[in-house]
Amino acid sequence: EVQLVETGGGLIQPGGSLRLSCAASGFTVSSNYMSWVRQAPGKGLEWVSVIYSGGSTYYADSVKGRFTISRDNSKNTLYLQMNSLRAEDTAVYYCARDRGIAVAGEVDAFDIWGQGTMVTVSS
Amino acid sequence: AIRMTQSPSSFSASTGDRVTITCRASQGISSYLAWYQQKPGKAPKLLIYAASTLQSGVPSRFSGSGSGTDFTLTISCLQSEDFATYYCQQYYSYPSLTFGGGTKVEIK
Repeated sequence: EVQLVETGGGLIQPGGSLRLSCAASGFTVSSNYMSWVRQAPGKGLEWVSVIYSGGSTYYADSVKGRFTISRDNSKNTLYLQMNSLRAEDTAVYYCARDRGIAVAGEVDAFDIWGQGTMVTVSS
Repeated sequence: AIRMTQSPSSFSASTGDRVTITCRASQGISSYLAWYQQKPGKAPKLLIYAASTLQSGVPSRFSGSGSGTDFTLTISCLQSEDFATYYCQQYYSYPSLTFGGGTKVEIK
């Protein structure tokens, strides 16, 4: 079965760090464009970061310089390292797979989503 | 960044109704548009990609249309399981991806 399972969320104080994991099964993370998307309580969806199959990484301005996306091909797992956390980073964080054919440079919609992991930044 | 504006933000409808949600992009995005359905406490679910292509397994009562800046999602005959929040998303300006603010469909 093709699925994504996120872990690593929790309560963290402002200024702290947290690493989220997203374990994939049924497909290869490194063969796809993989993103993190977040949703603040009661709010809409916000794209956070993407890692291309070739390894290039990109970030939303709101997290640039504080968050780092990476992957471990041997574990077929995606990560999001979050540093200097702020109250406004409080959200459910989802990992998501782009359904495009990455090797052809095709981009597309997100067809597989994880169940989400909650990050709460509060003192 | 490309701004996506959905309307209405919420509305009430009855089972069996035909409903339409609109999404407008701040600049042309060709057909690089997706629609998602989200229920409370759940992850979004892909309904339509490339503006009008139905994702596998999605009921045919869902349809999408449009290109350029104006898009619509139509549910031809609203079912009880369709009460949810719907989001549009552009992927034209990859990697800078943006979502609409969402449209909540509630039971009348």
